[in-house]
Amino acid sequence: SYELTQPLSVSVALGQTARITCGGDDIGYKNVHWYHQKPGQAPVLVIYRDSNRPSGIPERFSGSNSGNTATLTISRAQAGDEADYYCQVWDSSTADVVFGGGTKLTVL
Amino acid sequence: EVQLVESGGGLVQPGGSLRLSCAASGFTFSSYWMSWVRQAPGKGLEWVANIKQDGSEKYYVDSVKGRFIISRDNAKNSLYLQMNSLRAEDTAVYYCARDPPYCSGGSCYEQSYYFDYWGQGTLVTVSS
Repeated sequence: SYELTQPLSVSVALGQTARITCGGDDIGYKNVHWYHQKPGQAPVLVIYRDSNRPSGIPERFSGSNSGNTATLTISRAQAGDEADYYCQVWDSSTADVVFGGGTKLTVL
Repeated sequence: EVQLVESGGGLVQPGGSLRLSCAASGFTFSSYWMSWVRQAPGKGLEWVANIKQDGSEKYYVDSVKGRFIISRDNAKNSLYLQMNSLRAEDTAVYYCARDPPYCSGGSCYEQSYYFDYWGQGTLVTVSS
């Protein structure tokens, strides 16, 4: 089965740029989607198909995907960006939706 | 406004059954693939199952195959998850989520394989 690997935690200073990675075999050939989830809340889609932002998501959120790594970039990080972030793909070989293990973002 | 409201969670003994429901509103329910996604306490997200617009296709994660059944009633704008032979490891918050169709380059697809709206979840606890 397809696996996605994320760092357990990422820290960023207030106002700086955070990068959260999502590793997978040839992930560059897949569409990668990103969600954030705050404690006690449902996940919220922040990036779809590698680099597209849903309406209402700030331009500070961007995504890229190439080779074996997809990256979510959060510019000018704010305290309100603290959350767990999950990457997700669809594995066409099994028809499974696959999530990464999640990354806890801390804004210092 | 799109709304997804789950219900039916609770405490159940190992080996027992439970049926979850998800009431959808604010969009044309019959036009969307729908999924169930769960999250064990303190853990990450795990996709459980999904179902096509007309219910003709259903897919499940291996750990629930043969035990869980996803279904839908488009007339009632509702999604369901029948959970049988429950185990302690099924303890989780269960979310229903919408998978939108999309069109690109002159072609249109029934699903995008991501989730643009989620419900608030319902907690299922399997314990004796």
